[in-house]
Amino acid sequence: TQMTQSPSSQSAFVGDRVIITCRASRGINSFLAWYQQKPGKAPKLLIRAASTLQSGVPSRFSGSESGTDYTLTISSLQPEDVATYFCQEYDSGPLTFGGGTKVEIK
Amino acid sequence: EVQLLESGGGFVQPGGSLRLSCEASGFSMSDFDMSWVRQAPGEGLEWVSTISSTGGRADYADSVRGRFTISKDNSKNTLYLQMSLLRADDTARYYCAKAAQPRRFLDCLDYWGQGTPVTVSS
Repeated sequence: TQMTQSPSSQSAFVGDRVIITCRASRGINSFLAWYQQKPGKAPKLLIRAASTLQSGVPSRFSGSESGTDYTLTISSLQPEDVATYFCQEYDSGPLTFGGGTKVEIK
Repeated sequence: EVQLLESGGGFVQPGGSLRLSCEASGFSMSDFDMSWVRQAPGEGLEWVSTISSTGGRADYADSVRGRFTISKDNSKNTLYLQMSLLRADDTARYYCAKAAQPRRFLDCLDYWGQGTPVTVSS
């Protein structure tokens, strides 16, 4: 399964809504996770099963799906959200990550 | 508290071998599948291998199949990755990671170690 993630980078103001999309090359039955990776750190699981927020993750993060399109939304961008975000499908092997979206503050 | 601590990375010449280890605490590896994921410098994440909770099933990325072997010692709560015939394009930080749900072979990864760097160069 190919995961096409867009955009590859995004710059927004504090308080802006940020939307990141992953398109799967086939149906993946909502087996889609989102990770946040800050510079020099390991990835952190934000969302699993397309829309289930991990414990402790701020509610400004949300996930949704429409067909084979999966979306991560940051409703109000905060300075601490500067990071690279990756999607990952885990419906079947091999596990596949999207190419990543680098989010920066304007 | 779940913790994963990788070790064993380093500098190796092409064609060489390394064994990575990942010591877990705060949970039992006998209950969860474990994976290795790597990240080349400045690049994205690449899944490398997954092993089942019992150790009876393993899968590999095409890029490493036949060269890398994943294993685990549940009594030591430790995961391993034996890497052989290393190539320059294996250069990356290697992370071990825990499956989010027990006994689900292909799953998202809810805890990650800090990674161990591997550099393959002559």
